[in-house]
Amino acid sequence: EAGVAQSPRYKIIEKRQSVAFWCNPISGHATLYWYQQILGQGPKLLIQFQNNGVVDDSQLPKDRFSAERLKGVDSTLKIQPAKLEDSAVYLCASSLGVGDYGYTFGSGTRLTVV
Amino acid sequence: GESVGLHLPTLSVQEGDNSIINCAYSNSASDYFIWYKQESGKGPQFIIDIRSNMDKRQGQRVTVLLNKTVKHLSLQIAATQPGDSAVYFCAEIYTDKLIFGTGTRLQVFP
Repeated sequence: EAGVAQSPRYKIIEKRQSVAFWCNPISGHATLYWYQQILGQGPKLLIQFQNNGVVDDSQLPKDRFSAERLKGVDSTLKIQPAKLEDSAVYLCASSLGVGDYGYTFGSGTRLTVV
Repeated sequence: GESVGLHLPTLSVQEGDNSIINCAYSNSASDYFIWYKQESGKGPQFIIDIRSNMDKRQGQRVTVLLNKTVKHLSLQIAATQPGDSAVYFCAEIYTDKLIFGTGTRLQVFP
């Protein structure tokens, strides 16, 4: 079974620029998550989708971060404008549905803001 | 909000020895816990889970112990191998959300 695909693997941008990350979950997984993992810390949930609807975005900094999952499959996470403190690994995960905690994580996108 | 913490940031063990990684959680309402392994450049990988109605669960070379009285989890790895070198996270399910702790780095030396 193919895993969760993410791209790009690495991105370096200057502060105030914009950036987008892409995630393709495991086929058939209805629930998709974006996590932010700052160096030396555990992942922190940013947003959770169930199909193409948002379940939880309470920890998403909505003034600069946005995410969508228009067709209920792929998802994109955008940051505009980026700040230095956004430097982190952005992980995408998917699961069969809400209440299924068998998350499968992608390898992440490492963002460096300079 | 509630958070999950770990006692030691780095644990060094000799190959072949047993490893014990500890975790304290603060949310008594959490009823499901998961241990993850994260290798460099990869996402967290599920190792083993345990529900609050259990005290112990065993997998292949790994055992998770849960002490609800003191809100403590531990992950025991038997006969630690170089491939076990990684960062280990405990995570709890609270209000249907997966909440990770800070992590412990396990280093295995020959």
